[in-house]
Amino acid sequence: AQSVTQPDIHITVSEGASLELRCNYSYGATPYLFWYVQSPGQGLQLLLKYFSGDTLVQGIKGFEAEFKRSQSSFNLRKPSVHWSDAAEYFCAVGSYGGSQGNLIFGKGTKLSVKP
Amino acid sequence: KAGVTQTPRYLIKTRGQQVTLSCSPISGHRSVSWYQQTPGQGLQFLFEYFSETQRNKGNFPGRFSGRQFSNSRSEMNVSTLELGDSALYLCASSLDVTGRNNEQFFGPGTRLTVL
Repeated sequence: AQSVTQPDIHITVSEGASLELRCNYSYGATPYLFWYVQSPGQGLQLLLKYFSGDTLVQGIKGFEAEFKRSQSSFNLRKPSVHWSDAAEYFCAVGSYGGSQGNLIFGKGTKLSVKP
Repeated sequence: KAGVTQTPRYLIKTRGQQVTLSCSPISGHRSVSWYQQTPGQGLQFLFEYFSETQRNKGNFPGRFSGRQFSNSRSEMNVSTLELGDSALYLCASSLDVTGRNNEQFFGPGTRLTVL
């Protein structure tokens, strides 16, 4: 069965430090992969997505993610974190060629930023 | 361009009652999906609709139902409410259901509390 694992429930980083949020997926075929961010009281905002092609994907707000098929991973990175990045981050997988309206989400990683 | 609108934003019901939540997608979007978000289970897929047809359904009991109208607006209904139905219900819309340029946009959610 398809699944997404985000091993870190909560991460705290200092402002200006680099960030890496981990995501591992289980899917039999080539997946669609997504990273979303959710601020308190808000819906989800798409940061970036991977469908095929270049395995390093650039997104909004300075985020990037790298798809590694051999490790079944799609980790999210940012070189320098800003206080406004504090939020909850969700990795999701969708079926390639299938519907994108039926995503499987990880449990999320809450990011706190120290001044 | 207006975003995805969900009404009401907050709702308090008692066990045994039923509730209807509404979602207005972005103008021109024909696909609407619903997700339930709880602290324990995270984000779970409920339904996906496209052009008034249910394309996919998640693993939820029959008390959860939905529909989509000809103007793409969607409603979901939960009958015989249980305490465990307390959650944030998120709606997402997209132009289509597949395609690498297709993107889901999420609404702010409806916070349902069952007492």
